[in-house]
Amino acid sequence: EVQLVESGGGLVQPGGSLRLSCAASGFTFSSYAMHWVRQAPGKGLECVSAIGNNGGTTYYANSVKGRFTISRDNSKNTLYLQMGSLRAEDMAVYYCAKNIAARPGSYFDYWGQGTLVTVSS
Amino acid sequence: EIVLTQSPGTLSLSPGERATLSCRASQSVSSSYLAWYQQKPGQAPRLLIYGASSRATGIPDRFSGSGSGTDFTLTISRLEPEDFAVYYCQQYGNSPLTFGGGTKVEIK
Repeated sequence: EVQLVESGGGLVQPGGSLRLSCAASGFTFSSYAMHWVRQAPGKGLECVSAIGNNGGTTYYANSVKGRFTISRDNSKNTLYLQMGSLRAEDMAVYYCAKNIAARPGSYFDYWGQGTLVTVSS
Repeated sequence: EIVLTQSPGTLSLSPGERATLSCRASQSVSSSYLAWYQQKPGQAPRLLIYGASSRATGIPDRFSGSGSGTDFTLTISRLEPEDFAVYYCQQYGNSPLTFGGGTKVEIK
């Protein structure tokens, strides 16, 4: 059974940093691209970052470019999102999602349950 | 960037009725690379349809997708109580991949 379990969310002050993790199991993690998709309260979905299966290809939405860094450790089956210079508009539930291919940019067949990031002073 | 516009914003229907949801793209979606997801409150999205018309594993056949180019449709032939949720379309034919704003299907 495929499982994606996010962790690391919480309350952070504007300008602060946070690192999200997503522990994957039930599939060959190193064979698939992974994405972080966020959903602000009461809003729709936005893909903020993606990484290819071997970490060689990355993508960032303009809204987070230069502030967020995506990475993965295939030996630990874990995806990360290092978030810096956080703003109020970054407040959202962050989902990790499994891509159906090795390269980023396709659709997602599995999602985690999400972790909430709250940015507030 | 391809903008996806979903309509209507809210659809009020009764169990057993047919639901027709629209997703219109600002430019043609390459190779009908369009997916649909269902999201219930407090849950992650669930993949329903990919490639505009292919059902994902385990999705009941009352869900069907159609369309090409700029106009896509998700149809739920007979609404079951568990189908009341928010539905999102997503295109993956052009970078960056983008989502529509969602259609809420609520009980009338």
